[in-house]
Amino acid sequence: EIVLTQSPATLSLSPGEGATLSCRASQSVSAYLAWYQQKPGQAPRLLIYDATNRATGIPARFSGSGSGTDFTLTISSLEPEDFAVYYCQHRSSWPLTFGGGTKVEIK
Amino acid sequence: EVQLLESGGDLVQPGGSLRLSCAASGFTFSNYAMTWVRQAPGKGLEWVSSITDSGSSTKSADTVKGRFTISRDNSKNILYLQMNSLRDEDTAVYYCAKAYRDDRYSFDLWGQGTLVTVSS
Repeated sequence: EIVLTQSPATLSLSPGEGATLSCRASQSVSAYLAWYQQKPGQAPRLLIYDATNRATGIPARFSGSGSGTDFTLTISSLEPEDFAVYYCQHRSSWPLTFGGGTKVEIK
Repeated sequence: EVQLLESGGDLVQPGGSLRLSCAASGFTFSNYAMTWVRQAPGKGLEWVSSITDSGSSTKSADTVKGRFTISRDNSKNILYLQMNSLRDEDTAVYYCAKAYRDDRYSFDLWGQGTLVTVSS
């Protein structure tokens, strides 16, 4: 099983600041990594698929990078609606796994 | 409107059974693999089970293998999760999710979730 480790667990930032979230895989997942955003009481929302591709309707301030074992989700300038929990997920092999999440909170 | 709508969640005793349904609309259901993902209260996301577009192949997490069965009816646009021998640790919100492209297992459409509570 591929373990995805997200860091930091919590990121305290102010609106307008940039955010950098990390996801590290225990073995290579090539580029088969996605990022999701989840707000309280809501289903997750796909942000990035295959490491670098923004999903339909996702603002350009969200970008993904990386391949192999190290991945980054960058939010260039936080909007109030971006404060949420973010998860990474690989589809490289079975079982599919998710990272433990990074909470982006208002400082 | 493109959407997924889960139903069937309930309070059930340990050892009991439940069947979840996920009704799809607004897209060609039979063209996409589908998946169940769960989230225990206050916890992260956990993959449960996936099924190919045709229903010919399924995969399940070790934690549910032999107890849960995923299936689909492409004539009715419905995804199912039959849950048997339920345990306390199966308590979670269960989401159905659509593959973003044919059988590529990242998920661009999610239902609102249905709560399964296993407790005596």
